[in-house]
Amino acid sequence: EVQLVDSGGGLVQPGGSLRLSCEASGFIFSSYAMTWVRQAPGKGLEWVSSISTLGDGTYYADSVKGRFTVSRDNSENTLYLQMNSLRAEDTAIYFCAKVLVQGGYYFDYWGQGTLVAVSS
Amino acid sequence: DIQMTQAPSSVSASVGDRVTISCRASQDISTWLAWYQQKPGKAPKLLIYAASNLHSGVPSRFSGSGSGTDFTLTISSLQPEDFATYYCQQGNTFPPNNFGQGTKLEVK
Repeated sequence: EVQLVDSGGGLVQPGGSLRLSCEASGFIFSSYAMTWVRQAPGKGLEWVSSISTLGDGTYYADSVKGRFTVSRDNSENTLYLQMNSLRAEDTAIYFCAKVLVQGGYYFDYWGQGTLVAVSS
Repeated sequence: DIQMTQAPSSVSASVGDRVTISCRASQDISTWLAWYQQKPGKAPKLLIYAASNLHSGVPSRFSGSGSGTDFTLTISSLQPEDFATYYCQQGNTFPPNNFGQGTKLEVK
């Protein structure tokens, strides 16, 4: 059974940092690209970042570029999102998701989400 | 960037109704489109990928159609557990970085 477990969220002051983790099991983690998606309170889904299977390709939304860094440890089956210089508008639930490639690219399994709240 | 627009933003329906939700892409994405269902406080779930392929475990009352720029999600006979918010997402390019704004399906 595919499982993704998100952790690392919390309350942080503006300008602070957090590192999110996503522990994967039930599939060959190193064979799949992974993604972070966030959802601000009462809002829709926003793609944040994606990373290739080996970690040599990383992609970011303009809203987080230069502040967030995505990485992965294939030996530990874990995805990370290092978030620096956090702003109030980064407040959201952050979900990791596994990328399904079937012609196009989709997110077939999701973590339960971890809440990041940026406030003084 | 490819923009995704859903219509309507909300719809009211009753159990047993047939419901359709539309999604339009700002450019041709062939059939590379997915639909997700999200319930309050939960992670999204993949329903349909490649416009018309049902993801594992998804009930057959859900179906998808369309190609190019216009797509439709249909629920043939609404069940109580189907009241949720539905999102489309373009899968034409990597990373698949665009979702529609969502359609909330509410009880009439």
